[in-house]
Amino acid sequence: KNEVEQSPQNLTAQEGEFITINCSYSVGISALHWLQQHPGGGIVSLFMLSSGKKKHGRLIATINIQEKHSSLHITASHPRDSAVYICAAFETGNQFYFGTGTSLTVIP
Amino acid sequence: DGGITQSPKYLFRKEGQNVTLSCEQNLNHDAMYWYRQDPGQGLRLIYYSQIVNDFQKGDIAEGYSVSREKKESFPLTVTSAQKNPTAFYLCASSATPGTGRYEQYFGPGTRLTVT
Repeated sequence: KNEVEQSPQNLTAQEGEFITINCSYSVGISALHWLQQHPGGGIVSLFMLSSGKKKHGRLIATINIQEKHSSLHITASHPRDSAVYICAAFETGNQFYFGTGTSLTVIP
Repeated sequence: DGGITQSPKYLFRKEGQNVTLSCEQNLNHDAMYWYRQDPGQGLRLIYYSQIVNDFQKGDIAEGYSVSREKKESFPLTVTSAQKNPTAFYLCASSATPGTGRYEQYFGPGTRLTVT
């Protein structure tokens, strides 16, 4: 049983396109974490949110607690956005559960 | 610069040998975590520690051991009992549990290959 499901698994886009990555979770959460993993393996935190919407540069993350769903949007995508994007749900009082990631390739 | 360091980046061992992966943080975080990442799978929790001298098993603790003698350090030992030890290992830390600051900070990872 996967507590966190991401879609799509793989995504190829042309430079400049608007991109959406989806995350659904089944556990009760305190917060949802969006992470970025580059080919070298290191993981960088993009957003931590528990309600509403957050924006940082060309990245936007939203969460709907009632529907147990979050989305990560990338506007005006660029080849440097190519990475694996991981959604992680923090179950209240417990631990993080991680999705399997969405591999994004942005073609110039 | 505050952050998490893991060493080494690549590690090769023969089957049957124990190996210890290092994780150090200077973020003054109370909580530290060890995850394992395999191709096509999400990160899976091996062990975590919320305070010095205390740690709990995660979902896949069998064949692993940890210690937390100092706040800054959380080494992971992969023992010969771990059946499939070849994987990418990530260490993370976060602020004190219960503060509402859940964001995890990750180290660069150690890629372990056992032959």
